[in-house]
Amino acid sequence: DTGVSQNPRHKITKRGQNVTFRCDPISEHNRLYWYRQTLGQGPEFLTYFQNEAQLEKSRLLSDRFSAERPKGSFSTLEIQRTEQGDSAMYLCASPIAGGQSTNTGELFFGEGSRLTVL
Amino acid sequence: GDSVTQMEGPVTLSEEAFLTINCTYTATGYPSLFWYVQYPGEGLQLLLKATKADDKGSNKGFEATYRKETTSFHLEKGSVQVSDSAVYFCASGEGSSASKIIFGSGTRLSIRP
Repeated sequence: DTGVSQNPRHKITKRGQNVTFRCDPISEHNRLYWYRQTLGQGPEFLTYFQNEAQLEKSRLLSDRFSAERPKGSFSTLEIQRTEQGDSAMYLCASPIAGGQSTNTGELFFGEGSRLTVL
Repeated sequence: GDSVTQMEGPVTLSEEAFLTINCTYTATGYPSLFWYVQYPGEGLQLLLKATKADDKGSNKGFEATYRKETTSFHLEKGSVQVSDSAVYFCASGEGSSASKIIFGSGTRLSIRP
């Protein structure tokens, strides 16, 4: 158990529907990351937060995607008007280092939320 | 931007064979470098890391040395076991504060008994 909890673990939806994923990171870690992983590929960076501030967004994150981290605790990733190309595993990660220490890039990953768009 | 290129798989070896999985990176600065592993049915987990040139990361019999001159971080193990069967990802931490981790596409390793 890495301490990063994601839900739902698997979501099947029809094209055009909205979906929301939630991540509860390791407590006291000020950074939180979202990645997307498709079959046979490595994780692709989507966005990251420092506390409640969203500091960087990938070009992969179209305007149909929105992420929030209210109060710097849990985070949500919403996909509006889903498309079949959105089918992937969505991963959340917390730094392994402590919340206020220099970030060395080591990440604890959650088990992911798998999205299937029919 | 920064990128990571790693050896394509799948790689199939017999137990006790020597393993090398190649990884090279491009970066404007001096990133931290990592190998992550994903065992069947499990999430990604950190295997080893190196934060500066000539550092050697090691864990579970695996090693990788940060080579600035060749911009490489090849993963090696002297004698693989069936339990090493997994997908291995090379990664770099962008910038001095490693604010963003960039992953390679992964190499699937299968070990025959």
